[in-house]
Parts: sequence; C-alpha cells; structure tokens
Amino acid sequence: GAGVSQSPSNKVTEKGKDVELRCDPISGHTALYWYRQRLGQGLEFLIYFQGNSAPDKSGLPSDRFSAERTGESVSTLTIQRTQQEDSAVYLCASSPSGTGSFNYGYTFGSGTRLTVV
Amino acid sequence: GQQVMQIPQYQHVQEGEDFTTYCNSSTTLSNIQWYKQRPGGHPVFLIQLVKSGEVKKQKRLTFQFGEAKKNSSLHITATQTTDVGTYFCAGPRGNKLVFGAGTILRVKS
Repeated sequence: GAGVSQSPSNKVTEKGKDVELRCDPISGHTALYWYRQRLGQGLEFLIYFQGNSAPDKSGLPSDRFSAERTGESVSTLTIQRTQQEDSAVYLCASSPSGTGSFNYGYTFGSGTRLTVV
Repeated sequence: GQQVMQIPQYQHVQEGEDFTTYCNSSTTLSNIQWYKQRPGGHPVFLIQLVKSGEVKKQKRLTFQFGEAKKNSSLHITATQTTDVGTYFCAGPRGNKLVFGAGTILRVKS
C-alpha cells in the first residue's frame, strides 16, 4: 500500500479483555516496529521484526504482550487481560531494511488509540 | 544503555520568532534522525544526519550534528503556525531507534 495502515484506529475495551491490533506495512519493507506512546509522552519501543522473525522483543512490558508477523507482511500485537495502564496509542512503523543500514527513516502508521475502561 | 535527552520539553513562541530544540546522547551516535508529530497525528520523518559536524537545511529548518556525534539541534527560523507540533530526535541502538522525549512547540499568532 501507499503507507503504513493500522486498524482499528480506536479501540475501547473493558479491563481484563484481550485486544488485537493490526499493522499493514508498506509493501517491500522488511523491517517493522511497534512503539507505544502514552498521552503527552515520547515513543516507547516494544518490538522489532525483520521479516517474520523478531530479533528484539526487549521492549514488551510483560508476558501479557505478544506480537507476530506473517512473512514480510501484516503484524498483529496482542495484549491479553488488558489493564488501565495499557491505555495509549500504539504506533507501528516500517522501513525498507533494519536500522542497522542507517539509510532510512521510519514510516509510521496513524496508530491505534487504545482505551481500557 | 544509550539515552537520548531532549531540551526544552516545551516552548511557546510568537509567530515570526526563532525556535531551537537540542538533543544529547550519552554515547556516540552513528547517525541521528528527526521527526515531527503534529497534534493528533503520527511522527513523520524529517531528516537523517550521518557525518560529524554535518549541517542540512530544509527551507526554514536547519539541522546540525555535533563534531563528536553526541549532540544535535534543530533550528526553525521565523516560526509559522504550521510549525506547531512535537519534534523528536532519535538515535540507533542496535536494530531500533531510541527516541528523545520530544520538544512541544506552540506558536502564538
């Protein structure tokens, strides 16, 4: 596609429920990243995919968070048993290759605003 | 681990005034990137600096990378209301970018 697409754009869920967030990167971008942005805060790294493997999961806050990616395509971020502190905007970004190539900026999607009530 | 610190946290300027945000890293960076996030929007890539002492310009925006490659700045000349937003610097750590906390720019017309 022309850009990084994320869905849903907004999600309100009850505490304790599971949610699934989707990211469709730019076609051909092998690298995909998930970040979290709490209201008025900076970007907090969650996980990095190169192709369908995740060499860096160091930012996932707890075992309630997991993510997968199909090939060099769609990624889903799953949060189980949501808590109120999970409320944030979840941003997905893609780039033609990993940051290690140092040549490309990230293209971000519009994010999913998650509210846990 | 590597941290990227940004100052000021917030700046409110009169339209037409200049604005500068500064970024400092605890370690030497191979490159630094700058992003802009409009209110309610998502971060948009502006530029990447790679060389020591590099200076790049985009219209009224001037980006600098320090000689030691541990600091960077973004300067906006004669701000306009369209410049409103949060400006983030970001440096690579391993295979990901670490973002500064951002500088929020508000412009009074």
